[in-house]
Amino acid sequence: DTGVSQDPRHKITKRGQNVTFRCDPISEHNRLYWYRQTLGQGPEFLTYFQNEAQLEKSRLLSDRFSAERPKGSFSTLEIQRTEQGDSAMYLCASTPAAGGSYEQYFGPGTRLTVT
Amino acid sequence: GQQLNQSPQSMFIQEGEDVSMNCTSSSIFNTWLWYKQDPGEGPVLLIALYKAGELTSNGRLTAQFGITRKDSFLNISASIPSDVGIYFCAAKTGTASKLTFGTGTRLQVTL
Repeated sequence: DTGVSQDPRHKITKRGQNVTFRCDPISEHNRLYWYRQTLGQGPEFLTYFQNEAQLEKSRLLSDRFSAERPKGSFSTLEIQRTEQGDSAMYLCASTPAAGGSYEQYFGPGTRLTVT
Repeated sequence: GQQLNQSPQSMFIQEGEDVSMNCTSSSIFNTWLWYKQDPGEGPVLLIALYKAGELTSNGRLTAQFGITRKDSFLNISASIPSDVGIYFCAAKTGTASKLTFGTGTRLQVTL
């Protein structure tokens, strides 16, 4: 399977714990995006990388959230001191490098439940 | 955050019927896209539109980029059971830009 992959698919954690999600983009896609989707809503943008550089962050990305893409390949999204309001589907998407269609292809998501 | 206005919110239709849904915004966008999302999965890209007025088809799906660049429409002809899911419009201003999504249209098909 050469699509975007995310791990884990599901995560249940207790309030106050830290969690980390991983995203592996489609090979050679240099742009990577994180979105959050709550029940009954469309995805909302969190942050965006071009290679290893984090170029844009949404106001939704509070100080408890941090994202990295250290080698310009996979990315991690960490949430510290989780709150019940963090419960959502976290989606990752990637885009081809210049010369491609530039359209965003999504992974299956990580569903986080904070109890 | 901002979301596009998408309607209808949900639809119940019979197999074989045609479906129409639309998406509007108060802002101008340069690219409009339509995605389908199944429960517990990520959105899957259906159609991408790049020019105002553009009409693009993908099988039984046809989408249009509104001439004002503030809206888009998706039509599904001769619906089948596997069309069930949530359809999202999305739009962006530049090639590398973040996507702004609509609120979704839930489609249910009865036999």
